[in-house]
Amino acid sequence: KQEVTQIPAALSVPEGENLVLNCSFTDSAIYNLQWFRQDPGKGLTSLLLIQSSQREQTSGRLNASLDKSSGRSTLYIAASQPGDSATYLCAVWGNTDKLIFGTGTRLQVFP
Amino acid sequence: DTGVSQNPRHKITKRGQNVTFRCDPISEHNRLYWYRQTLGQGPEFLTYFQNEAQLEKSRLLSDRFSAERPKGSFSTLEIQRTEQGDSAMYLCASSLNWGLAGGTDTQYFGPGTRLTVL
Repeated sequence: KQEVTQIPAALSVPEGENLVLNCSFTDSAIYNLQWFRQDPGKGLTSLLLIQSSQREQTSGRLNASLDKSSGRSTLYIAASQPGDSATYLCAVWGNTDKLIFGTGTRLQVFP
Repeated sequence: DTGVSQNPRHKITKRGQNVTFRCDPISEHNRLYWYRQTLGQGPEFLTYFQNEAQLEKSRLLSDRFSAERPKGSFSTLEIQRTEQGDSAMYLCASSLNWGLAGGTDTQYFGPGTRLTVL
């Protein structure tokens, strides 16, 4: 059974810092991995999707990497801003035709 | 706005009552998913539809839960005889599946319906 773990559970940093959020999964037989952002009380916004054949994806200040063999992904946020404050969720898509989510990393960026 | 919409956004009910939620997916999307998210946890899969066919249901979906997508467009999720443990955010997502193995489609999520059972 696929399990997804995210570390740290919470993170508080000053504005301008570069951040690394970690995601690990137990079954490496995945087709893709997605990173989502969730603001309090809101739905999810897809940030990046990495196919299993890819090593990384970039969008603006965000860069996500995938090491399928070791069951790990990282989300790198450059030059963090208060507007980046949210919960970041990673999710994997395997052969079960559904997304399996981690519990998220709650990020607070203070001015 | 052509994104995924959900109604109502908030629902407060008393234990034992029935509730129904609606999800309107992005119009050309053939897949529709329901997830449940409790406080401090990631979303958990409940069920999904390919057009009007319900292809999978999680064991989280007890007999009190039923979902439909009658014409392959909007979907409803009904909870009968609600319990306090049903309190959660119910999220809907849609995607366009090309029929290829591997789920390469991106899921787009709605804002969710927050259910509180008193």
